[in-house]
Amino acid sequence: KQEVTQIPAALSVPEGENLVLNCSFTDSAIYNLQWFRQDPGKGLTSLLLIQSSQREQTSGRLNASLDKSSGRSTLYIAASQPGDSATYLCAVGRGANSKLTFGKGITLSVRP
Amino acid sequence: EAGVTQFPSHSVIEKGQTVTLRCDPISGHDNLYWYRRVMGKEIKFLLHFVKESKQDESGMPNNRFLAERTGGTYSTLKVQPAELEDSGVYFCASSKLAGGPRETQYFGPGTRLLVL
Repeated sequence: KQEVTQIPAALSVPEGENLVLNCSFTDSAIYNLQWFRQDPGKGLTSLLLIQSSQREQTSGRLNASLDKSSGRSTLYIAASQPGDSATYLCAVGRGANSKLTFGKGITLSVRP
Repeated sequence: EAGVTQFPSHSVIEKGQTVTLRCDPISGHDNLYWYRRVMGKEIKFLLHFVKESKQDESGMPNNRFLAERTGGTYSTLKVQPAELEDSGVYFCASSKLAGGPRETQYFGPGTRLLVL
């Protein structure tokens, strides 16, 4: 049974800081891994998706890496801004069209 | 293109009552998923439709939950009778059937259910 862990549960940083959010998973036989963002009262927005054959994906100030053998992924946010404050969720897909297994998320607060 | 929509956005009911949640996926998405987040826990999978067929319902907690997707378009999730532990946020997601490993699931805003 796949388990996804995100530690810490919450993080507060000053504006401008570069930061890394961690995600670990127990079963390395994954299809893909996604990072989502959730704002309070809103749905989930996909930020980055890494296929199992890839090692990283980049979008703007965001970079996500994947190390399947060690069961880890990181989301790097460069030059954080107050608008980055949200909950960041890591989710692992087992196969084509299959369900996602989520971590509990990391609630990020970027202080002006 | 309209995103995934869910109705209602909030629902407050008493224990023992019935509630029906609705999800309208993105047009053309054959995959439809229901997930639930209970307070303090991670988002957990409930079930997966491919068109009108249930592909995987391994996450459904018990027989008080009934999901349907008539005609392969919108889906409903009925909870009858509701219990206190059913409180949480119910998310719906959809995706293309042949999207491959780059295909993401698109999530709706969720329905916040509170059972008193």
